[in-house]
Amino acid sequence: GAGVSQSPRYKVAKRGQDVALRCDPISGHVSLFWYQQALGQGPEFLTYFQNEAQLDKSGLPSDRFFAERPEGSVSTLKIQRTQQEDSAVYLCASSLFSSNQPQHFGDGTRLSIL
Amino acid sequence: LAKTTQPISMDSYEGQEVNITCSHNNIATNDYITWYQQFPSQGPRFIIQGYKTKVTNEVASLFIPADRKSSTLSLPRVSLSDTAVYYCLVGEHTGGGNKLTFGTGTQLKVEL
Repeated sequence: GAGVSQSPRYKVAKRGQDVALRCDPISGHVSLFWYQQALGQGPEFLTYFQNEAQLDKSGLPSDRFFAERPEGSVSTLKIQRTQQEDSAVYLCASSLFSSNQPQHFGDGTRLSIL
Repeated sequence: LAKTTQPISMDSYEGQEVNITCSHNNIATNDYITWYQQFPSQGPRFIIQGYKTKVTNEVASLFIPADRKSSTLSLPRVSLSDTAVYYCLVGEHTGGGNKLTFGTGTQLKVEL
């Protein structure tokens, strides 16, 4: 497809389980971003990749959150030992080169922790 | 820590011009200002981007004063389908570098 694709669209997990969220960016886009959006709030920056290099992970809320982009295309956001406060929509975006260019967003993964 | 703030909500009627302002006192020197539109259960969609002065495209204009501490998104003639949440996105100075920061968001409601 032409846009950013995220899967799964919805994920329900029990507290304490590990989850993995996938992002397929637009083909050829160098930069990839992850955001967390709580209900009724704006997106909050989590982490940023340029190709396979994770240049900024300052927004990851704890060491339970881990992101990777091993081949510079598909990215996975992993959350270990999930807690209820992790419930949110996780958005992925990609841009052609840098963070100063328009970002193209997927429709997100809605994560619910029971 | 300075926040990137917007009015919570705005109401308008079809055919009117709407101006939404974002305050970003701590914007990073080299970063652009970008505006997005978001509908429920969808990701944000790019509207317009600028660095300084005025930028115009087929759907909106963006006004940025010389000090770049704020920006105004202008939607020339809104329609019902423009009802959505609008966000600005800037890079902000933090102690450890620049951080991509979304504004607090403005819910625009357009009525007949």
